Amino acid sequence: KQEVTQIPAALSVPEGENLVLNCSFTDSAIYNLQWFRQDPGKGLTSLLLIQSSQREQTSGRLNASLDKSSGRSTLYIAASQPGDSATYLCAVRDSWGKLQFGAGTQVVVTP
Amino acid sequence: GAGVSQSPSNKVTEKGKDVELRCDPISGHTALYWYRQSLGQGLEFLIYFQGNSAPDKSGLPSDRFSAERTGGSVSTLTIQRTQQEDSAVYLCASSSALAGGPDTQYFGPGTRLTVL
Repeated sequence: KQEVTQIPAALSVPEGENLVLNCSFTDSAIYNLQWFRQDPGKGLTSLLLIQSSQREQTSGRLNASLDKSSGRSTLYIAASQPGDSATYLCAVRDSWGKLQFGAGTQVVVTP
Repeated sequence: GAGVSQSPSNKVTEKGKDVELRCDPISGHTALYWYRQSLGQGLEFLIYFQGNSAPDKSGLPSDRFSAERTGGSVSTLTIQRTQQEDSAVYLCASSSALAGGPDTQYFGPGTRLTVL
């Protein structure tokens, strides 16, 4: 059974620092991996999707890497801003379409 | 264009009552998913619809939970004889699920269910 783990569970950094969020999964037979952002009381916003054949994806200040063989993905957020404060979730998709989520990393960026 | 919408946004019910939660996916999306987010439990998959195929119900926690998708569009998640442990945010997502292509799942704002 696929298990997805996110470390750390919570992270607080001063504005301007780079953020590094880790995600690991136990079964490397994934279709893709997706990073989401969730603001309090809101739904999920997709940030980046990495196909299983890809090594990384970039969007603006965000960069996500994927090492399928070792079961790891890392989300980097450069030059963090207070508006980046949110919970970040990673999810792996199986071949049937289901997403298995990690518990999330709660990020606070202080001005 | 319009995103995924869900109704109601909040629902408070008494233990033992039935509830219906509605999801309107993005137009043209063939895949629709229901997830549940409980306090301290994270997001868990409930059920998945893909086109006209039989749904994947492997995540439904008990036979009190059921879902249908009419006309390949709107979906309703029904919880019968609600229990307090059913209290959670119920999230719906849809995707275009293109074969061999990226299939980002787009989420609705969720329905917060509270069972008293």
